[in-house]
Amino acid sequence: ETGVTQTPRHLVMGMTNKKSLKCEQHLGHNAMYWYKQSAKKPLELMFVYNFKEQTENNSVPSRFSPECPNSSHLFLHLHTLQPEDSALYLCASSRDSGRNTIYFGEGSWLTVV
Amino acid sequence: QQQVKQSPQSLIVQKGGISIINCAYENTAFDYFPWYQQFPGKGPALLIAIRPDVSEKKEGRFTISFNKSAKQFSLHIMDSQPGDSATYFCAALVRRQLTFGSGTQLTVLP
Repeated sequence: ETGVTQTPRHLVMGMTNKKSLKCEQHLGHNAMYWYKQSAKKPLELMFVYNFKEQTENNSVPSRFSPECPNSSHLFLHLHTLQPEDSALYLCASSRDSGRNTIYFGEGSWLTVV
Repeated sequence: QQQVKQSPQSLIVQKGGISIINCAYENTAFDYFPWYQQFPGKGPALLIAIRPDVSEKKEGRFTISFNKSAKQFSLHIMDSQPGDSATYFCAALVRRQLTFGSGTQLTVLP
């Protein structure tokens, strides 16, 4: 039990589908993150939310749309994705977005067909 | 672009041996250097971390060595065990953003 729960764990979607990834943290943290992990590439930071406000968007295409309704929940809405978007999407949280330990969920494996 | 370069990409060590993974960085503003361990099907988990005002930190069989002048840091796993087989990521933090190395897949043979 990591304290950061992601659903679904596996998702297969077509390029015209709309789906969402969900993340919930039970650690009382104020910052939440989305990372993308592709084979043989470094973890890529996508979005950062601190106290529900988006503080980082690392030039992520608009087909990825994050939503943070409160400090415990984070969503990643997916629309018209490309096959190259297939990857492991990791949610993480930390006490705040400063120098604190980041705790990761187990990830959502996304396959775009 | 801020980068953290990690080597080797893969490492095979015999049980009881020492595993050494190296990372180098360019941005001297990095001020926190964690290492993460990731098992297949799991998310990365913090293993050990160091700040640049310390040259070495040891936790059990895991040691980080930090060389500020060379802008390098490394993870040493003493008495490596098959259960240590995982992917290890170094990372560096500056301005609230964590930059990861590309990972090292460690295999410890029984």
